[in-house]
Amino acid sequence: DSGVTQTPKHLITATGQRVTLRCSPRSGDLSVYWYQQSLDQGLQFLIQYYNGEERAKGNILERFSAQQFPDLHSELNLSSLELGDSALYFCASSVATSGSDEQFFGPGTRLTVL
Amino acid sequence: DQQVKQNSPSLSVQEGRISILNCDYTNSMFDYFLWYKKYPAEGPTFLISISSIKDKNEDGRFTVFLNKSAKHLSLHIVPSQPGDSAVYFCAARTGYSTLTFGKGTMLLVSP
Repeated sequence: DSGVTQTPKHLITATGQRVTLRCSPRSGDLSVYWYQQSLDQGLQFLIQYYNGEERAKGNILERFSAQQFPDLHSELNLSSLELGDSALYFCASSVATSGSDEQFFGPGTRLTVL
Repeated sequence: DQQVKQNSPSLSVQEGRISILNCDYTNSMFDYFLWYKKYPAEGPTFLISISSIKDKNEDGRFTVFLNKSAKHLSLHIVPSQPGDSAVYFCAARTGYSTLTFGKGTMLLVSP
């Protein structure tokens, strides 16, 4: 158990819909990272937040957005969903701001868009 | 443009033998490399890392080798155990950047 929790574990929805994925980092970790793992793809970095502020941005679509709240939990919002958005979405957390800090991953949310 | 490549999607090894997982990278600015292990229905977990100033790092049965001139690193598992069966991801970073991951190699260790 990494100490990072993600909800829900599974999500099935239809094209055009909007969903919210939630992540609670390990106690004491200030950084939260979101990754997408599609079929046959590695972990694609989406976005990082540190203590409530956006710190780094990767291959995140404009239809996707994220935020980190004062209690440090984070939410990833995916809108106007397309079939190609079906993937595993992982959240990770680390103590500090550097992307090189050891990251602890949650179990992921499997999103299926029908 | 994939900066971190794991060209073998899968690898099968017998228990007790050596497993060698390979990773190539294209960005010569990468200065830190990590291996993560992932079991089904779980998130990746950190396994071992190596700085670009070293060419080898060992941790028990796991050893990572770095060949900077070839932009290649490898993870050796000796001896391999059935519990090592998992997907292994290679990752790299430059300075204080975020991590860039490869697509992963699925290792199957058979008894």
